[in-house]
Amino acid sequence: KAGVTQTPRYLIKTRGQQVTLSCSPISGHRSVSWYQQTPGQGLQFLFEYFSETQRNKGNFPGRFSGRQFSNSRSEMNVSTLELGDSALYLCASSRTTNTGELFFGEGSRLTVL
Amino acid sequence: AQSVTQLGSHVSVSEGALVLLRCNYSSSVPPYLFWYVQYPNQGLQLLLKYTSAATLVKGINGFEAEFKKSETSFHLTKPSAHMSDAAEYFCAVSVPAQTGANNLFFGTGTRLTVIP
Repeated sequence: KAGVTQTPRYLIKTRGQQVTLSCSPISGHRSVSWYQQTPGQGLQFLFEYFSETQRNKGNFPGRFSGRQFSNSRSEMNVSTLELGDSALYLCASSRTTNTGELFFGEGSRLTVL
Repeated sequence: AQSVTQLGSHVSVSEGALVLLRCNYSSSVPPYLFWYVQYPNQGLQLLLKYTSAATLVKGINGFEAEFKKSETSFHLTKPSAHMSDAAEYFCAVSVPAQTGANNLFFGTGTRLTVIP
């Protein structure tokens, strides 16, 4: 059974650009959550999608957005990149929204110059 | 608001010794509690979770944790450390009734080093 797949694994952008990250969940998983991991702030919840609907949202500015497609695949977008957006972005999938049992991908490491 | 505090950002143990990683939580309503492990350049993997059933929870790789409401603690233990246990460990809490079960609030992590 394939795990959670995130693409790209590494990317470098400059300030002001935008970026789109992709996540393919485990087959049969309908919930996809996104987390940001940085040395300073640790792991922080961005948002969760279930059946193409955003269920929960963390405390991030509107520059951070996401969506989920009918096949449960998800994308997150960050517009007008700032240096502080440099981080490891982790996607996690779950069968439902009420277990907390998250299966994480290896992440997309974003560097903003 | 819910949060977790992990005591000790770095813990070193000898191979074969007891592993004890400390976690205290704060939540005004019944929480779910988790321990996740992260190996270098990888995502997180669930070790175990507590969801209001048995207070002693057994997980993978010989780890277990005990939920103590009176102490608001959820410490992770393993009787005998193995070299392969070297990794970063995260305690996390979620509150299904408020912010959703999959909205996890993570601690700052504890890096475990195992000395041969």
